[in-house]
Amino acid sequence: SQKIEQNSEALNIQEGKTATLTCNYTNYSPAYLQWYRQDPGRGPVFLLLIRENEKEKRKERLKVTFDTTLKQSLFHITASQPADSATYLCALDMRDSGYSTLTFGKGTMLLVSP
Amino acid sequence: KAGVTQTPRYLIKTRGQQVTLSCSPISGHRSVSWYQQTPGQGLQFLFEYFSETQRNKGNFPGRFSGRQFSNSRSEMNVSTLELGDSALYLCASFSTGRNTGELFFGEGSRLTVL
Repeated sequence: SQKIEQNSEALNIQEGKTATLTCNYTNYSPAYLQWYRQDPGRGPVFLLLIRENEKEKRKERLKVTFDTTLKQSLFHITASQPADSATYLCALDMRDSGYSTLTFGKGTMLLVSP
Repeated sequence: KAGVTQTPRYLIKTRGQQVTLSCSPISGHRSVSWYQQTPGQGLQFLFEYFSETQRNKGNFPGRFSGRQFSNSRSEMNVSTLELGDSALYLCASFSTGRNTGELFFGEGSRLTVL
């Protein structure tokens, strides 16, 4: 079965720096890879989606890369702010058997200090 | 446009009891998925419904069941509760076809089993 690993449980950085979060997967490549943000006690909120034939996607201060050779996605937040502090989840869309079910990583908790 | 609504937000049950959780998807969304989130396992897929039919199921025991109604509202039920069922149960809706893959999550139902 597909396994997803996010590089660390927690990441501490200073305000203004670029945060880089890693998502690695095993086995076959997904059709899509998505990133979500989750605040404590809340449901995840969709941030970005990247398709298997795309190398990079940007949205404001966010950038996602997708390397199907390395089986890895990198999620960058540039000019990070304390308000970016949250848990970030990587999710794969396997398109298995015609269905679309997301498989989530356990997340990386990002803490941005002033 | 109203988001995904889950009820109840919090509940406490004792071992052996059963529980029913409710989810109202975004208007127009006919597909609903359920996920269980625990600190140790992260987000785990439970089931996915489309037009009142379960079209995918995760690796959970038969004590976990669900259904979807003609208005796309969904319920999940857990019978004979165990301590390990304590978790945040998240419902997500998405547009038919799922070409974009984005899930819209509710705030979740926090279940505590004593």
